[in-house]
Amino acid sequence: SAVISQKPSRDICQRGTSLTIQCQVDSQVTMMFWYRQQPGQSLTLIATANQGSEATYESGFVIDKFPISRPNLTFSTLTVSNMSPEDSSIYLCSVEVRRGPNTEAFFGQGTRLTVV
Amino acid sequence: AQKITQTQPGMFVQEKEAVTLDCTYDTSDPSYGLFWYKQPSSGEMIFLIYQGSYDQQNATEGRYSLNFQKARKSANLVISASQLGDSAMYFCAMRPNNAGNMLTFGGGTRLMVKP
Repeated sequence: SAVISQKPSRDICQRGTSLTIQCQVDSQVTMMFWYRQQPGQSLTLIATANQGSEATYESGFVIDKFPISRPNLTFSTLTVSNMSPEDSSIYLCSVEVRRGPNTEAFFGQGTRLTVV
Repeated sequence: AQKITQTQPGMFVQEKEAVTLDCTYDTSDPSYGLFWYKQPSSGEMIFLIYQGSYDQQNATEGRYSLNFQKARKSANLVISASQLGDSAMYFCAMRPNNAGNMLTFGGGTRLMVKP
């Protein structure tokens, strides 16, 4: 398995500000994924972050709102920009670990964001 | 495209009894993995169990087992000897084994263990 350290674990932010969430993995991984989980909902993929290239965003998510950095194979950040109350969610990073023919997915502890 | 369906929004189980959480999926990919995660109120996603589509045997991890019926495209999670700490949201997810694919999640099932 992979050990993923995500921080902050929670934050309360003022609308109009930005928050950067960090994700650190204990091993080198090719792809890192950022998910959003709105209250009472399932997880929705925001973007896929590859080292050395721009992140690939899913429909409904744009780089200006959710800029992502991937400076190396063990680290990534997601910024939630110009926040509004609608951005209140849990944000999770995830990595894939290949084990033989299978690919397993593990998550960080999540960041519970409340925008007031 | 993949789709995961969890038809039980909520489930109650008596402490020490077993419970089955349903999950059905739809995919055209021949090779894929199925996952179950537990999400307590703290929000973290805890990996529970994994089943590969070509695995011959059903996966087991301690009190968790996966009832994998490939022909029916179902991957139900069985929790034996339920504990109060098992109360949480449970998510079924699927991912094709090709590189670059993401996890697709079901809507989740809230499990409540009664003392």
